[in-house]
Amino acid sequence: KQEVTQIPAALSVPEGENLVLNCSFTDSAIYNLQWFRQDPGKGLTSLLLIQSSQREQTSGRLNASLDKSSGRSTLYIAASQPGDSATYLCAVGDYKLSFGAGTTVTVRA
Amino acid sequence: NAGVTQTPKFQVLKTGQSMTLQCAQDMNHEYMSWYRQDPGMGLRLIHYSVGAGITDQGEVPNGYNVSRSTTEDFPLRLLSAAPSQTSVYFCASSYSRTAAYGYTFGSGTRLTVV
Repeated sequence: KQEVTQIPAALSVPEGENLVLNCSFTDSAIYNLQWFRQDPGKGLTSLLLIQSSQREQTSGRLNASLDKSSGRSTLYIAASQPGDSATYLCAVGDYKLSFGAGTTVTVRA
Repeated sequence: NAGVTQTPKFQVLKTGQSMTLQCAQDMNHEYMSWYRQDPGMGLRLIHYSVGAGITDQGEVPNGYNVSRSTTEDFPLRLLSAAPSQTSVYFCASSYSRTAAYGYTFGSGTRLTVV
């Protein structure tokens, strides 16, 4: 069974600091890894999708890397803003996903 | 707008009642799935479908039934609600088996069983 772990569970940083969120998974035989953002009481918003053949994906201030051999992914958010405050979820799989419990980020103005 | 539509958004049930959570997508996606999200935990897979007429169990299927009579709809039925089923439920769909184009999630149904 695929186990997905996200560390830390919570993170508080001052505005402008770079964010580094970690995700690890136990089974490297994955089709893709996806990062989601979830605001309180809301649904999931897809941020970045990394297919198993890729090493990283970038979108604006966001960059996600994937190292299948070590079972790790890292989401970098550059120059954080208060609007980046949310819970970030990592998920791996194919048409069925295994999720981590998330990292709750607070960016202080 | 194209996407995944879930209804209702909120529901309160009494223990022992039954109900159906609706999920519909208009993107012609073959693959659909239901997840539940509990505080402090990631989403967990309840049931999934790989096409009309084909469903299978996920990680936490007990107490739930599904069917898929059309490509568009994938309802989730609670047979006899229990307080342990208090949760937020999300429906999701993807175009391909490898989800190479990602997933689309509904906005969720917040269910409370008293």
